[in-house]
Amino acid sequence: DAKTTQPPSMDCAEGRAANLPCNHSTISGNEYVYWYRQIHSQGPQYIIHGLKNNETNEMASLIITEDRKSSTLILPHATLRDTAVYYCIVKANNLFFGTGTRLTVIP
Amino acid sequence: NAGVTQTPKFRVLKTGQSMTLLCAQDMNHEYMYWYRQDPGMGLRLIHYSVGEGTTAKGEVPDGYNVSRLKKQNFLLGLESAAPSQTSVYFCASSYGVEKGAQNFGPGTRLTVT
Repeated sequence: DAKTTQPPSMDCAEGRAANLPCNHSTISGNEYVYWYRQIHSQGPQYIIHGLKNNETNEMASLIITEDRKSSTLILPHATLRDTAVYYCIVKANNLFFGTGTRLTVIP
Repeated sequence: NAGVTQTPKFRVLKTGQSMTLLCAQDMNHEYMYWYRQDPGMGLRLIHYSVGEGTTAKGEVPDGYNVSRLKKQNFLLGLESAAPSQTSVYFCASSYGVEKGAQNFGPGTRLTVT
């Protein structure tokens, strides 16, 4: 099963775009890339997912490279409420959440 | 819709005691999952179910048992609790592994003394 690599932490100024990278170099052709976030000790919250094409919803945009070996989650205008741990997950039969990226939005 | 609910929210057990955590979902999802999260760590999959009457092991299944007698419920059992099982337990559900996002419950905080 493909695993992911994310930076442990990032900072972003409030109002600016937050760009969170994820490496998934061993991803296979039928595996989706999912992004979740976890605010404090709450249950994880689904953000967005994609297979090959870039995706956008009301929360974020997902950019997947042409070779599918990496992706970037973009929060276009980060707010203080976006401070959370962000998980990039490649779905497979045995689901695996790593340690994610702790994003801190700074006023 | 209530989404995914978990019972109880908090529990303290003594070593060797047993308990069952209940997860319920009202979204008619086929798949259900149990995860644990230790302080400062990511989530780890304990067991999951791809449908009523079926269960499968995840990454860290030892010391836990599960049952899925009804589609909407997924039970996680600890037969003989150990301090190493002190953790926050999250339940989730989805239409399928590749068919949609997982919806998570609020978690159960379990302490084993």
